[in-house]
Amino acid sequence: KAGVTQTPRYLIKTRGQQVTLSCSPISGHRSVSWYQQTPGQGLQFLFEYFSETQRNKGNFPGRFSGRQFSNSRSEMNVSTLELGDSALYLCASSLEGNPGYEQYFGPGTRLTVT
Amino acid sequence: KQEVTQIPAALSVPEGENLVLNCSFTDSAIYNLQWFRQDPGKGLTSLLLIQSSQREQTSGRLNASLDKSSGRSTLYIAASQPGDSATYLCAVPDTGNQFYFGTGTSLTVIP
Repeated sequence: KAGVTQTPRYLIKTRGQQVTLSCSPISGHRSVSWYQQTPGQGLQFLFEYFSETQRNKGNFPGRFSGRQFSNSRSEMNVSTLELGDSALYLCASSLEGNPGYEQYFGPGTRLTVT
Repeated sequence: KQEVTQIPAALSVPEGENLVLNCSFTDSAIYNLQWFRQDPGKGLTSLLLIQSSQREQTSGRLNASLDKSSGRSTLYIAASQPGDSATYLCAVPDTGNQFYFGTGTSLTVIP
């Protein structure tokens, strides 16, 4: 069974631009979560989607948004990029949306904002 | 809000040693606890998941224990190998499936 895939793997953008990252969960998984990882802040929760609905959102500004499609694939968008948005963005999937299930992470998208 | 702490922050051991990584959490009302491994610049690899009703979980040379009442989990690595060098993270989910991560233990196994 294929794991969680994320595209693109690396991205370089300029301040003020916007970016869209994509995540394909493990087949059959319905919950997708997004995390931002930086050396200073560690892993921080962005949001979680289940059955195309955002159920939970972390403490990030409205520039960060996402969506989930009917096939459970998810995208996250960051508008008006800032230097501080440079980070590794990780996507995780689990079978169901409750906390009893194991989470599987993708390889991440490395975003660099210049 | 759940707070997760990992000690030590870094650990360097010679190959072949057995070692223990520690994870503590402030809210003992957890569903489960998951241990991950992260290689530099890469994603997280799930190592072990312990449900709240379990005390231990084993996979190969790895053994994780859970003591909910004291808010602690340990990851025991037997006969360490250079390939075990990585950052090890523990995490617990809340009711909304948001994971709270520790800051990790960076492990170096010296050949």
